Amino acid sequence: EPEVTQTPSHQVTQMGQEVILRCVPISNHLYFYWYRQILGQKVEFLVSFYNNEISEKSEIFDDQFSVERPDGSNFTLKIRSTKLEDSAMYFCASLDGISYEQYFGPGTRLTVT
Amino acid sequence: AQTVTQSQPEMSVQEAETVTLSCTYDTSENNYYLFWYKQPPSRQMILVIRQEAYKQQNATENRFSVNFQKAAKSFSLKISDSQLGDTAMYFCAFMKHARTPGNTGKLIFGQGTTLQVKP
Repeated sequence: EPEVTQTPSHQVTQMGQEVILRCVPISNHLYFYWYRQILGQKVEFLVSFYNNEISEKSEIFDDQFSVERPDGSNFTLKIRSTKLEDSAMYFCASLDGISYEQYFGPGTRLTVT
Repeated sequence: AQTVTQSQPEMSVQEAETVTLSCTYDTSENNYYLFWYKQPPSRQMILVIRQEAYKQQNATENRFSVNFQKAAKSFSLKISDSQLGDTAMYFCAFMKHARTPGNTGKLIFGQGTTLQVKP
């Protein structure tokens, strides 16, 4: 069964460093998303991406964040200068355009020290 | 703007018993989707069940069923014959309908309910 994959599973970085989180969505899906979950809290929408551009972003998704689909398979989230409060679980998801169900990757746990 | 509220932060149930998790939402949309996702300790987000607002019939997936009350904007999840593997955090989520102009398909989540199934 096709699935969304994410790498790495856990990333530790120092405050101020840049990180890139990687995702491979399900191959025939066209809509991609990043969500964030601070430990024990709700899952928050960050950004949606369609047709090689951002279709919607939340207030959390400020200038420190960017997304890219550098090739036909990868979908990346970059945080330019990490802050302590960026420590969270980051989920990538892709949308089945027929059922309108979103499938989530296993997440990347980002720890900023 | 749409909001989703889960008013039960924690619940517990004995194995084999039935439990109901509550969810209410607010929207001015007439057509939309509602979902329940399960997040076990591994933190993977797993889709449990989906409901389309224009469908009168409540969705069912094996031991999981929903009680969708559109007028009351309520969407509860019933788990029958609870199993130890059902122990997880459960999130209710809202999505605008595919044909809503400008819809990007983003999910809006509630705060989650932690369910503990006891042996």
